[in-house]
Amino acid sequence: GAGVSQSPSNKVTEKGKDVELRCDPISGHTALYWYRQSLGQGLEFLIYFQGNSAPDKSGLPSDRFSAERTGGSVSTLTIQRTQQEDSAVYLCASTPLMGSNQPQHFGDGTRLSIL
Amino acid sequence: DAKTTQPPSMDCAEGRAANLPCNHSTISGNEYVYWYRQIHSQGPQYIIHGLKNNETNEMASLIITEDRKSSTLILPHATLRDTAVYYCIVRVANNAGNMLTFGGGTRLMVKP
Repeated sequence: GAGVSQSPSNKVTEKGKDVELRCDPISGHTALYWYRQSLGQGLEFLIYFQGNSAPDKSGLPSDRFSAERTGGSVSTLTIQRTQQEDSAVYLCASTPLMGSNQPQHFGDGTRLSIL
Repeated sequence: DAKTTQPPSMDCAEGRAANLPCNHSTISGNEYVYWYRQIHSQGPQYIIHGLKNNETNEMASLIITEDRKSSTLILPHATLRDTAVYYCIVRVANNAGNMLTFGGGTRLMVKP
């Protein structure tokens, strides 16, 4: 079956521009997570969504970052007025149910480069 | 979540078994052991997880010691495509945040 799909796979933009990153989770997965990974570093949690509950935004690094999940499926991560330190790979993961022992399944990420 | 310790790197000959150790001496009774790997330029890939019993799937086997303070991931017949960084994670399934954190992992190099 289809895995987690992210688009675009690569994004190069100029400092100060806004970007939107998209995540299509595995069908039927109710929990969705956004992480970012800088070169050679571990995962940095950004935000997660669980069903219709309010998202946990505790990992968002600044108010330039926001995310939404429409219809409990597709999610969009938006970064406004991008800065060079925003350059990283942005990863999306989904799991059938938050709080279960089921693993998170990841997409291949969007590699964001800010010039 | 409990801290894990893994060797930073290992080599394995193609076709041989790769045995990747992980120490998690502070693991709690309700914490699971998960293994992921990350191949260059790809997202993390789930491999296997377990609580206390040994587990096997199409990718690997997971051996957890009786005291649960360590575990070993076994790739029975390593191929060149298994070259990756392997991460051992210990976490509570019902953790409210449930987000993942990766440590340094083990960089496995499979050689012909």
